[in-house]
Amino acid sequence: AQKVTQAQTEISVVEKEDVTLDCVYETRDTTYYLFWYKQPPSGELVFLIRRNSFDEQNEISGRYSWNFQKSTSSFNFTITASQVVDSAVYFCALSGLIQGAQKLVFGQGTRLTINP
Amino acid sequence: EAQVTQNPRYLITVTGKKLTVTCSQNMNHEYMSWYRQDPGLGLRQIYYSMNVEVTDKGDVPEGYKVSRKEKRNFPLILESPSPNQTSLYFCASSLLGQYRDNSPLHFGNGTRLTVT
Repeated sequence: AQKVTQAQTEISVVEKEDVTLDCVYETRDTTYYLFWYKQPPSGELVFLIRRNSFDEQNEISGRYSWNFQKSTSSFNFTITASQVVDSAVYFCALSGLIQGAQKLVFGQGTRLTINP
Repeated sequence: EAQVTQNPRYLITVTGKKLTVTCSQNMNHEYMSWYRQDPGLGLRQIYYSMNVEVTDKGDVPEGYKVSRKEKRNFPLILESPSPNQTSLYFCASSLLGQYRDNSPLHFGNGTRLTVT
């Protein structure tokens, strides 16, 4: 079975602090993809990153960075020097083959609040 | 502008009154999908379509119908809505949706449905 767990339901930090959002996944596939999406208060879902199972290199994009570790089945997301505009719900998702079709399974989401 | 368009954004209805939420994409994507978002549960897939006239059940299909008569449109139909279908609904599309193509999903802006 494919499963994504985001154990942190809500996180609240003060602006400029660093914050890490955890994501742990389960899959039997050897080839799979991991994603992060952001849902700001306006409600839309915004794609942030995709990482395939063969690429364990960490990725950095501005203040955002992602740490993929297959050994622990984790794909954690860190925001450095957080800003109020980072306040949103963040979803981790896993894409794999389920019953012959591509399925995207989401975690429960982590609500991040950045306080001024 | 490339986008997925859902209508309406907000809908309040009563139990048993049939309704349709429309979804249209202008990116010539083959794969389209419907999700519902509920607190603490993340996004769960309702139905998906790999191409025209090809639809299949997701994780929570009960009480919903879909059709894919044209590539760009993928309406979600609730024949007899019930209060437990009160939720935030998202339509999404991606290029191919085949296992080897894990291009990110493009999401619509969501439809908030309330069934009383």
